[in-house]
Amino acid sequence: QVQLQESGPGLVKPSETLSLTCTVSSASLRNYYWSWIRQSPGKGLEWVGYIYFTGNVNYNPSLKSRVTISVDTSKNQFSLKLNSLTAADTALYYCARHHERIRAFDIWGPGTLVTVSS
Amino acid sequence: SYELTQPPSVSVSPGQTASITCSGDKLGDKYAGWYQQKPGQSPVVVIYQDNKRPSGIPERFSGSKYGNTATLTISGTQAMDEADYYCQAWDSNTAVFGGGTKLTVL
Repeated sequence: QVQLQESGPGLVKPSETLSLTCTVSSASLRNYYWSWIRQSPGKGLEWVGYIYFTGNVNYNPSLKSRVTISVDTSKNQFSLKLNSLTAADTALYYCARHHERIRAFDIWGPGTLVTVSS
Repeated sequence: SYELTQPPSVSVSPGQTASITCSGDKLGDKYAGWYQQKPGQSPVVVIYQDNKRPSGIPERFSGSKYGNTATLTISGTQAMDEADYYCQAWDSNTAVFGGGTKLTVL
């Protein structure tokens, strides 16, 4: 079945850039939207942004100035970069999929914890 | 920015019906989805497009919407349903989640 797996460093310093990758298994990136969603410890879910397989992106307005999402269809991966990190960016970062017609996130990765600390 | 409002907590006795609401401006014009998240696990969609249930989700989960309020209903609630529940909608191609509701089965 379709599986998503996040990867990247678990500890990043303040003011630096976070880089995460989501690898998609057993499915093509085609015809789906691929999102990053984060959850601060003990808090709710916050959508970061998505990329369509064509490369079209859309970001959360509150993070737009610091976020870049890209896709590599040859590797069946998409990636997140978030710059100018602060402790407030410490969170569990999930990648997830949705289809335009379904409009819900039907597949999620297990998440990867990113801690911003010196 | 767009907001979805949920009650922080709901309690229900085993076997009874639990209802969790989600309200937002013009939510009636948007699709609402619901996610269940148990401790240490990723969220799982239990309702999409207001009232559709994905395959594998028990029939006791149902969704409805009236005006600008969507409701997740769990009939015959079981202990295994104790979890955090989040509603979600799209506003101008931006995904928005409600603050989450902790469902306690006691």
